[in-house]
Formats: sequence, C-alpha cells, structure tokens
Amino acid sequence: GNSVTQMEGPVTLSEEAFLTINCTYTATGYPSLFWYVQYPGEGLQLLLKATKADDKGSNKGFEATYRKETTSFHLEKGSVQVSDSAVYFCALSPYNQGGKLIFGQGTELSVKP
Amino acid sequence: NAGVTQTPKFRVLKTGQSMTLLCAQDMNHEYMYWYRQDPGMGLRLIHYSVGEGTTAKGEVPDGYNVSRLKKQNFLLGLESAAPSQTSVYFCASRAAGTRGETQYFGPGTRLLVL
Repeated sequence: GNSVTQMEGPVTLSEEAFLTINCTYTATGYPSLFWYVQYPGEGLQLLLKATKADDKGSNKGFEATYRKETTSFHLEKGSVQVSDSAVYFCALSPYNQGGKLIFGQGTELSVKP
Repeated sequence: NAGVTQTPKFRVLKTGQSMTLLCAQDMNHEYMYWYRQDPGMGLRLIHYSVGEGTTAKGEVPDGYNVSRLKKQNFLLGLESAAPSQTSVYFCASRAAGTRGETQYFGPGTRLLVL
C-alpha cells in the first residue's frame, strides 16, 4: 500500500540554523510528492512539490528532491527564521487515483531567536 | 477570491446528535476532499469527489456521509456523532488532472463530541 513516514518532532532550532526534515514513502507506481505547511490555527498550504524522479521542488528557500532510488523526499532549508515555525507535512498522491493525498504524521518545527 | 471556505468554524455536539459540515470553493475545481486531522496522525482522507454528483470513500469513511450536489459545494454529514469523531476537519479542492495538481485547503472545522 501507500504510506509516508516523517521524522518525529518537535524539532527546535536556533535562527539561521540548517534544517532537514526526513520523509520516506512507500508507493506503487510513480506518485507525486508534496510538502505542505500548517501555521498555528490555519489550514494547510502547499510549500513545494515534485512530480517525477530527480525533480527538485523549491519555494521560500526550502528545497526537496524526489529520490526514487531511496524513496525519499527530504525537506531542507539553509537558514531558518522564526517565521518558519510551523508543522510540516510530507504527502504523496498516487498516480491517477483521484488526486487524493496520503500524509505523514507531521513534524513540528520551532525556531528560537 | 475566497478560495475554500468551511462552515462552521467550531461546534460542540452531544453523542448521537447529527450535523453537516459545509465546504465551498470558488475556483471551479472538479475535485474535492474531506480530511480529518488528529494529533500525531497527520491528515486522513474521509471521502472525496471527482465531480458533481460523484463521491468515493477514502481511508476512514465509517460514520460519515457526503454529498456533492453542486460543483462548488461538498457536504460532510455525521448522522450519529461519537466521541471518536472529535477532530479537526479540513476540506480541500483541486483542479482535475492525473499528476501533481495542488490541493487548496480550507481553514478547518473543530468538532468536539461529548
């Protein structure tokens, strides 16, 4: 079946530190991969996505590369800010299955000044 | 453009009561989804719809029903609420397509079942 596993949080970093949030997946076929972010009290927003192997998604300084050989889509940012504090969700969408998303459990990030 | 809106924002129910959550989108999207979010479990798909008049079950459909009578609206019903349905419910929509289209989420409905 399809599943997503994320590193557990919470993750606490100092401002300007390097961020990595690990995400691995299990899927049949060729899914699309996503990172969504949820700020306190809000819904989810797309952060970045990749639709095929070796694609790199990027947005707001965050990056993730679709690695089929390791079934991974790790999220990275070179220098985090306090405003990046949020919950980050890795998700996959199986090919041609109505666009549904299968989420990891979420990783809470807290960035201290 | 309001995007995806959800009504109500918060509701308290007693066990056995019924209610309907309303989701509306103004982006002319074909596909709509209902998820629930529980601590430590991410979001799980309840039901979804790939077009007006069509619905399908997701990962956790038991105890819920849905209807998509109009393209812009997707209703989630709880016929007899149970404490296990205490959760935050999110609606989402996206354009039709087979790969990589973005889902847009509403702000959520917080439901407490006593």
